[in-house]
Amino acid sequence: GNSVTQMEGPVTLSEEAFLTINCTYTATGYPSLFWYVQYPGEGLQLLLKATKADDKGSNKGFEATYRKETTSFHLEKGSVQVSDSAVYFCALINPPNTGFQKLVFGTGTRLLVSP
Amino acid sequence: EPEVTQTPSHQVTQMGQEVILRCVPISNHLYFYWYRQILGQKVEFLVSFYNNEISEKSEIFDDQFSVERPDGSNFTLKIRSTKLEDSAMYFCASSEEGGLEAFFGQGTRLTVV
Repeated sequence: GNSVTQMEGPVTLSEEAFLTINCTYTATGYPSLFWYVQYPGEGLQLLLKATKADDKGSNKGFEATYRKETTSFHLEKGSVQVSDSAVYFCALINPPNTGFQKLVFGTGTRLLVSP
Repeated sequence: EPEVTQTPSHQVTQMGQEVILRCVPISNHLYFYWYRQILGQKVEFLVSFYNNEISEKSEIFDDQFSVERPDGSNFTLKIRSTKLEDSAMYFCASSEEGGLEAFFGQGTRLTVV
């Protein structure tokens, strides 16, 4: 079946440090890949996405590249801020053969950024 | 900006009681979902709903669970007789026709005591 594996947290960094959160997946076909973020007290928000191999999703300084050869979609940011402290979820959707989209999530990785 | 809203944000209930979790999806969206996250575990798909019927449900979504769209705006998840293991954060989401992005609510934390 489809699955997503993320690195365990928490990841603790100082402000302006480089961030990598690893994500690998198992899926049939060519899934679409996502990073969702959950800030304290809020819901899940889509951070970025990539729908085919070698696509790079980017938003708010975060980037992730869809690597089919390594089945990975690692999240990176060159310089984190305190406001980036949140839980980050990697997720996939199987090829949209039907109208609805069932997301398969990883366990989430908590990022803590200190001043 | 349109958003998915869920109520209540936190509910405490006694084991065996019925609970109804409420969601107002984005108005022009056609697909609706419930997910849950037990503390420290993955966010898991429960059920999807389209055209007034369930499209798909997971193994978790047994006879104790039901969903309804009682009017044009609300989407509810009912748990008939809650168990301790139903304690989790429940997320509602919606998406538009053919859309890849699901928009999530802020979640309802259900605590069964």
